[in-house]
Amino acid sequence: DGGITQSPKYLFRKEGQNVTLSCEQNLNHDAMYWYRQDPGQGLRLIYYSQIVNDFQKGDIAEGYSVSREKKESFPLTVTSAQKNPTAFYLCASSSTPGLLGGEQFFGPGTRLTVL
Amino acid sequence: AQSVSQHNHHVILSEAASLELGCNYSYGGTVNLFWYVQYPGQHLQLLLKYFSGDPLVKGIKGFEAEFIKSKFSFNLRKPSVQWSDTAEYFCAVNGPGGGADGLTFGKGTHLIIQP
Repeated sequence: DGGITQSPKYLFRKEGQNVTLSCEQNLNHDAMYWYRQDPGQGLRLIYYSQIVNDFQKGDIAEGYSVSREKKESFPLTVTSAQKNPTAFYLCASSSTPGLLGGEQFFGPGTRLTVL
Repeated sequence: AQSVSQHNHHVILSEAASLELGCNYSYGGTVNLFWYVQYPGQHLQLLLKYFSGDPLVKGIKGFEAEFIKSKFSFNLRKPSVQWSDTAEYFCAVNGPGGGADGLTFGKGTHLIIQP
């Protein structure tokens, strides 16, 4: 059963703590993405990775970090430097991007609440 | 930078009414266009996409969208909505990189269908 898994579904953390969100895909996709969804804001790109051991900042990368050591995994760390971390985080993947591609498949999301 | 504008943030319709959700994007070059839907409690999933060819594209569940290049628009339509269409709808675009650098999303339209 191919797809993208994110864990945990809900996460609570105290202010000032770093927290890591998991994203795993078994679709054999090269590219992976992290988005943040806030009410009334749509989805905004945090980081993306087109290939293992390489990643790029998206539109709102400040206060976040990622790694891409394996093709199937793209964890996101929300650091204490992120000023407003409470949000719904979505991971996505796509096959080798190109103008005939670009469709992204999304995971179920992780809702992070910082207390 | 690419931007996507969705005209209506909240839409309330009765069952069997016709639906049109507006979407405009800013980049004037070759783009791929998408509509995603997020049903309550479910993954974000692809409704339909446009890459090239016939500007009228058909998607799942009776939805269709028309790409009008001269207007930078990609409006979503459905002739007769059902209660089960209640969801959040997102228009998305990838740019000249073919989506390698992620999708740009609109802020979403929350659609409520009243029985």
